[in-house]
Amino acid sequence: NAGVMQNPRHLVRRRGQEARLRCSPMKGHSHVYWYRQLPEEGLKFMVYLQKENIIDESGMPKERFSAEFPKEGPSILRIQQVVRGDSAAYFCASSPQSGNSYEQYFGPGTRLTVT
Amino acid sequence: QQQVKQSPQSLIVQKGGISIINCAYENTAFDYFPWYQQFPGKGPALLIAIRPDVSEKKEGRFTISFNKSAKQFSLHIMDSQPGDSATYFCAASMQGAQKLVFGQGTRLTINP
Repeated sequence: NAGVMQNPRHLVRRRGQEARLRCSPMKGHSHVYWYRQLPEEGLKFMVYLQKENIIDESGMPKERFSAEFPKEGPSILRIQQVVRGDSAAYFCASSPQSGNSYEQYFGPGTRLTVT
Repeated sequence: QQQVKQSPQSLIVQKGGISIINCAYENTAFDYFPWYQQFPGKGPALLIAIRPDVSEKKEGRFTISFNKSAKQFSLHIMDSQPGDSATYFCAASMQGAQKLVFGQGTRLTINP
């Protein structure tokens, strides 16, 4: 039973470049969440998606950040024109389709470094 | 009102001792309270979770105590082992929102 998969695990980008982070949820899970973790801090919610729909993007910065979860393929978190403050670990979590299930299972994360 | 406050920030416990981490929340709409364990360089792993209709839940050496009136919940790790050394996060969620609100984390060190 494969868990949540994220790639790349480490990503280095220069200021102004684009970063694309990918997340494949656990088998049978159709809900995906993205969180950001700054060094020595807790995780902060960014966005919640279901297939082809953004359900809640209240934690996502209004500019430069976007997310999608297409019908086929992984969920993508895209950061345009990265700045040093975007350096963080980005975690994806997934949960089952069942409406009463709150359990979220996290992937290993992508550590983004902006130089 | 969306915050979850966690304490202590760091904790050192001797092997075999009891580790206790506390969390407090304000939003009474929260109805799901999980604890996550995170090792360096890894993603958070779901450890144990509780709903407000029970005051305690135990799984192996891990116990959640929940005090609805005080809006507090805590994680107890019995017979703490060096392998338990990790960062622990409490979190809260509510039906309809589903996003997790995390505490700041507690770095636990178990001395052998």
